[in-house]
Formats: sequence, structure tokens, C-alpha cells
Amino acid sequence: AQSVTQLDSQVPVFEEAPVELRCNYSSSVSVYLFWYVQYPNQGLQLLLKYLSGSTLVESINGFEAEFNKSQTSFHLRKPSVHISDTAEYFCAVSDWNTGNQFYFGTGTSLTVIP
Amino acid sequence: NAGVTQTPKFQVLKTGQSMTLQCAQDMNHNSMYWYRQDPGMGLRLIYYSASEGTTDKGEVPNGYNVSRLNKREFSLRLESAAPSQTSVYFCASSGGAATSYGYTFGSGTRLTVV
Repeated sequence: AQSVTQLDSQVPVFEEAPVELRCNYSSSVSVYLFWYVQYPNQGLQLLLKYLSGSTLVESINGFEAEFNKSQTSFHLRKPSVHISDTAEYFCAVSDWNTGNQFYFGTGTSLTVIP
Repeated sequence: NAGVTQTPKFQVLKTGQSMTLQCAQDMNHNSMYWYRQDPGMGLRLIYYSASEGTTDKGEVPNGYNVSRLNKREFSLRLESAAPSQTSVYFCASSGGAATSYGYTFGSGTRLTVV
């Protein structure tokens, strides 16, 4: 089974500053990688995903993540955060062995400070 | 709006009581899932149903049962609730390969067992 590590449980950052949320996974076999966002009192929403091809993937709201196979990482970045980015962010991994099952990290709470 | 609907949104149970959490999706998805979310532990898979008529255990199935009533509905039952089952429960669905499309999540059921 996969394991997913999100190294930072809480990340406070000032508005318009850059941010990186870190995610590492355990296996180097072919994987599919996802970032989900959870706003307060809501369900999780897909933010972006890596399936194959370009190792840099982007979301519509300015986030990007880079798949690094050698470091088994999929860190999420944004060059300039907004108050509305305050949320919980979850990294998730699946692979051919787990089929439709996803393994989630423990989440990173991003707080944007005005 | 199309999506995953969970009921109820909130529930308080006494230890030993039983209840069923309901989940329905209107996207014609084949696969459905139940997760629980606990602080510091991320999301953990309880049960899933890859298609109508099939169910399988996930990471933390003890104390739960599920029913895939039809393609739309997937219910989670607690036969004898325990305080350790206090959690937020999320239902999710996926069409085709979840690894390609990710999950669509419901808004969650917040359950407290006293």
C-alpha cells in the first residue's frame, strides 16, 4: 500500500506571499497524483492532478504542482496567495496496484494572513 | 446541481445506537466510496463499491457495514455506535477509472457519538 506524507500540518503565510505545500509518497512505481482542497465545512474538491506527460501541472486558480519521480514528491506551489486560498489541502496517490483506491495525506491547513 | 448528496449533515448518537448514513449520486458513476476524516489522520477508506452489486473493505472497515442499493445509492451503517466512530464521513464517487478522473465528494456527515 502507498503512504503519503504531508510534512507540514499548518502553514501560515501573508497575503501575496508565495507558498509551497509539501507532499511525498512511498512508492516509485507508476503513480497518479492529486491535490484536493477542502474549504471550511465543505467536501473535498479536486485542485489538480498528474497522470502522465509533463511533470508540471497547473490549476485554474494559479496553483501548480511538480511531479518529481526521483524524490517521490508532488509539492504544491502558488507564487502569490489570496485570502480565499485559506483551506485544508490534501495530497492523494493511487497506482496500478491499488486500482481505484486513493491514499490521502493527513492534510495541510493553509492560513492566509491579511 | 449534479453531484453527490449525503444525508444527514449532522447527527448525534448515544453509544450503542445504530444509524445509516445515506449517499446518492446522479452522475451515473460506477464506483462509490465511504471515507472517514479524523484530525491529524487525513481520510481513511472504510468501504468501497467498484460497481453495482459489489462491495469491498477498505482500510478501516470494523464496526461498519455497507449496501450498494443500486447504481445511485451507497449507504453506510453503524450497527452499534462507539465514541471512536466520532468523525466526519465523506461519500465519494468516480466515473470510469478514478485514477484518471479523481473523485467527486459529498459535503460530509458530521457524526458525534456520546
